[in-house]
Amino acid sequence: EDKVVQSPLSLVVHEGDTVTLNCSYEVTNFRSLLWYKQEKKAPTFLFMLTSSGIEKKSGRLSSILDKKELFSILNITATQTGDSAVYLCAVEANDYKLSFGAGTTVTVRA
Amino acid sequence: NAGVMQNPRHLVRRRGQEARLRCSPMKGHSHVYWYRQLPEEGLKFMVYLQKENIIDESGMPKERFSAEFPKEGPSILRIQQVVRGDSAAYFCASSPRGDIQYFGAGTRLSVL
Repeated sequence: EDKVVQSPLSLVVHEGDTVTLNCSYEVTNFRSLLWYKQEKKAPTFLFMLTSSGIEKKSGRLSSILDKKELFSILNITATQTGDSAVYLCAVEANDYKLSFGAGTTVTVRA
Repeated sequence: NAGVMQNPRHLVRRRGQEARLRCSPMKGHSHVYWYRQLPEEGLKFMVYLQKENIIDESGMPKERFSAEFPKEGPSILRIQQVVRGDSAAYFCASSPRGDIQYFGAGTRLSVL
């Protein structure tokens, strides 16, 4: 069975701090790894990663994938209170199903 | 371009009743996926549909649950004779083939 493990489960930081979220996976027929941000509504797409070593960036967020070691990290720099959310890591196999981790809850204090 | 639309947002049912959850995919998306999120757990895949076809229902409970995506209209997830353990958030996602899945806001089902 496909397995996705996120760490830490939760963290609390102050505005301006940098956070690093981890996602490790074991999946048969890996196709891609995706990051989503979930507030009290729809999970919002952040990144899709398919190749090792290529950093994807969007503003203060960035992510990278290591297909040899089977993990990804999501970085958020200069955090703001609006970054408070649950960050979900999901792995897509060739059958297009997503397997999700339990999520990391990030709380940014002013 | 409206996002993935789910309704209702909240649904309350008594044990033994039926629950119908609706999902309208984004315009141009012909692939629909349903996921369930139990309290304190991650999203779990339930079923993958294309128009008029069930592609993969390996995550669906064998009894009481069914899904459809007709030629016209939204995708429907139907739960018959609901039990308390069905209480969860049900999310729908849509995509063009082989591309990013975009999620709706979910339906929160509460079974009394």
